[in-house]
Amino acid sequence: DAGITQSPRYKITETGRQVTLMCHQTWSHSYMFWYRQDLGHGLRLIYYSAAADITDKGEVPDGYVVSRSKTENFPLTLESATRSQTSVYFCASSESSSNYGYTFGSGTRLTVV
Amino acid sequence: AQKITQTQPGMFVQEKEAVTLDCTYDTSDQSYGLFWYKQPSSGEMIFLIYQGSYDEQNATEGRYSLNFQKARKSANLVISASQLGDSAMYFCAMREGRGSGAGSYQLTFGKGTKLSVIP
Repeated sequence: DAGITQSPRYKITETGRQVTLMCHQTWSHSYMFWYRQDLGHGLRLIYYSAAADITDKGEVPDGYVVSRSKTENFPLTLESATRSQTSVYFCASSESSSNYGYTFGSGTRLTVV
Repeated sequence: AQKITQTQPGMFVQEKEAVTLDCTYDTSDQSYGLFWYKQPSSGEMIFLIYQGSYDEQNATEGRYSLNFQKARKSANLVISASQLGDSAMYFCAMREGRGSGAGSYQLTFGKGTKLSVIP
């Protein structure tokens, strides 16, 4: 029971290519989130979702697309990757008012060359 | 204005000593939650401790305690008896408000403090 799984762990892609980062959770948490982590910026919210088919923008959504057709999956797509999107991406999930905040995936390290 | 401010980019502490990592926050909500996470070099995010805005006592979890000063809007993490395994990045985060919708459950993170424990 992995809980929340991100794939791939590492990805190198070329500028202009489309790339999708996968996130799967097994707890049936309602809420899911995508963050990117960059040195000097901490974690910044890209997109979030309250339930299947309900998504909304976070702090840094430009260049990203999300979907959530099923509760357990929340893929993040970079439509045309840029070097500025080189980052570590974390998926997280949460149930309502949890005092543990989020449960995080292990992260995906994406390099755009 | 930043919602979460961690003013110490890096800190050193001697093994077995206590260390305080600073966090100040900015919110107009009456109901909010404060969290600390640890990120070791392996990269995973590990939940450490939680403090609710209405909690009257400071939260404690083992060697971790949260020094919550509501009037000053500070939520400092205190690690007692530091161990070499405490060397990591530490993030303070806040969840504002209540209610329905994922927006109520967003966590806003500070930029982190890198703690190095010296043997």
